[in-house]
Amino acid sequence: SQQGEEDPQALSIQEGENATMNCSYKTSINNLQWYRQNSGRGLVHLILIRSNEREKHSGRLRVTLDTSKKSSSLLITASRAADTASYFCAMNTGFQKLVFGTGTRLLVSP
Amino acid sequence: DVKVTQSSRYLVKRTGEKVFLECVQDMDHENMFWYRQDPGLGLRLIYFSYDVKMKEKGDIPEGYSVSREKKERFSLILESASTNQTSMYLCASSFFELKGVGYNEQFFGPGTRLTVL
Repeated sequence: SQQGEEDPQALSIQEGENATMNCSYKTSINNLQWYRQNSGRGLVHLILIRSNEREKHSGRLRVTLDTSKKSSSLLITASRAADTASYFCAMNTGFQKLVFGTGTRLLVSP
Repeated sequence: DVKVTQSSRYLVKRTGEKVFLECVQDMDHENMFWYRQDPGLGLRLIYFSYDVKMKEKGDIPEGYSVSREKKERFSLILESASTNQTSMYLCASSFFELKGVGYNEQFFGPGTRLTVL
C-alpha cells in the first residue's frame, strides 16, 4: 500500500499549547494536503503544500515538507478546544487521486 | 456554498442485501470518489470516476461496483452486503487535475455509516 503513516496516532494537549503532527510517505509527490475531520463527519481541506515548497502558513497552521525525507509536519499554534478533531495528510501522487494517511486524533482540553 | 451530499447518514442492512449509496455534488466537478474509513486504517479508495460513465478501481474494489450516469451523481453499490463491509463510507469530488497544475483539493460529503447485520 502507498498509504502514508502519521504519528502520533493520538495527541492530548491543553488549550493554548501547540500541536505537531507528522506524516511520512513512500513515493514521490506533486503536492501534499492536510485535512481535518470532526467526529463522525466528512473531511475538510486545510492547506496544500507543493513539492517545490518547504513551508507554508495559513492562520494558526504551519506546514513543512521535506521531500528528501518524504515527510511533512502540521503545526497548530495556540490550540483551542474547537481544534479537537482528527487530522489526515493526503499525498497527490498524480492520476487525479489522493493517498491518505492513517490520521492523528487531537484532543484539546480547556 | 459548495456541497457534497450523501443519501443517508446512517444505514442498517442485512447480510446479502443489495445496498445503494448515493452521492451528489453541485460544484460541476469532473472527479468523484468513494472511500471507506475504518479505525486505524485511514481512508481507502474504493472507486473513482473522472467523467460520466467512466470508472476506475481504487485500492479495495472487491465486493463493490459504481455507477455514474450523470456528472453530479456517483453511486456506490454493494451487490451482496457482508458484515465486513460495515464501515463509514465517504464520497468526495474534485476538479479534473490539469497536468502540471497539481491542485486537486477534494470536497467531502458528511459520510454514511453503514452497519451490515
